[in-house]
Amino acid sequence: EPEVTQTPSHQVTQMGQEVILRCVPISNHLYFYWYRQILGQKVEFLVSFYNNEISEKSEIFDDQFSVERPDGSNFTLKIRSTKLEDSAMYFCASSWRQRNYGYTFGSGTRLTVV
Amino acid sequence: DQQVKQNSPSLSVQEGRISILNCDYTNSMFDYFLWYKKYPAEGPTFLISISSIKDKNEDGRFTVFLNKSAKHLSLHIVPSQPGDSAVYFCAASEGGGGSEKLVFGKGTKLTVNP
Repeated sequence: EPEVTQTPSHQVTQMGQEVILRCVPISNHLYFYWYRQILGQKVEFLVSFYNNEISEKSEIFDDQFSVERPDGSNFTLKIRSTKLEDSAMYFCASSWRQRNYGYTFGSGTRLTVV
Repeated sequence: DQQVKQNSPSLSVQEGRISILNCDYTNSMFDYFLWYKKYPAEGPTFLISISSIKDKNEDGRFTVFLNKSAKHLSLHIVPSQPGDSAVYFCAASEGGGGSEKLVFGKGTKLTVNP
């Protein structure tokens, strides 16, 4: 069964450093998403991406965050200057059509900011 | 912001019996509801969904019921199996309003005892 692949599975970074979380969505999917889950809290929407642009973003997704699809296969989330409160599990997801909400999530990247 | 609430953090049932997981929502603009299952160290896996124009959707052992007037939905698993032991998330969307994002509940940890 096709999978969404996320790398790395765990990243530790110093506060203030930039991090890039990488995702390879399912190949025929067109809609891409990032969610995060802070330990003990809900899974929260960050951003959706379609046709090489952001289609929707949450209040969490401020100027420190950016997304990119640099080639035909990768989808990345960049955090420019990490804060302690950015520590969370970050999930990438993809879907083949709009509002097919049964989208496929990756296994996540655990980001720890120290 | 608790638009989607899962008031039971955990549920324990015997193998073969029915598991009933509950979810309440406050946003009357939600028009699409989903259940996801999550195992440790994995991303959420889509289980079943229901549109607000329906009150029931069934898929094998899984049935989702929607009561719009009460703003309540439930997931029934019959019969429950030990492999169903996981965290179950309820999620909702305002797809009709053009939103792409899912709003998740905090999850209910289901344990099915052999």
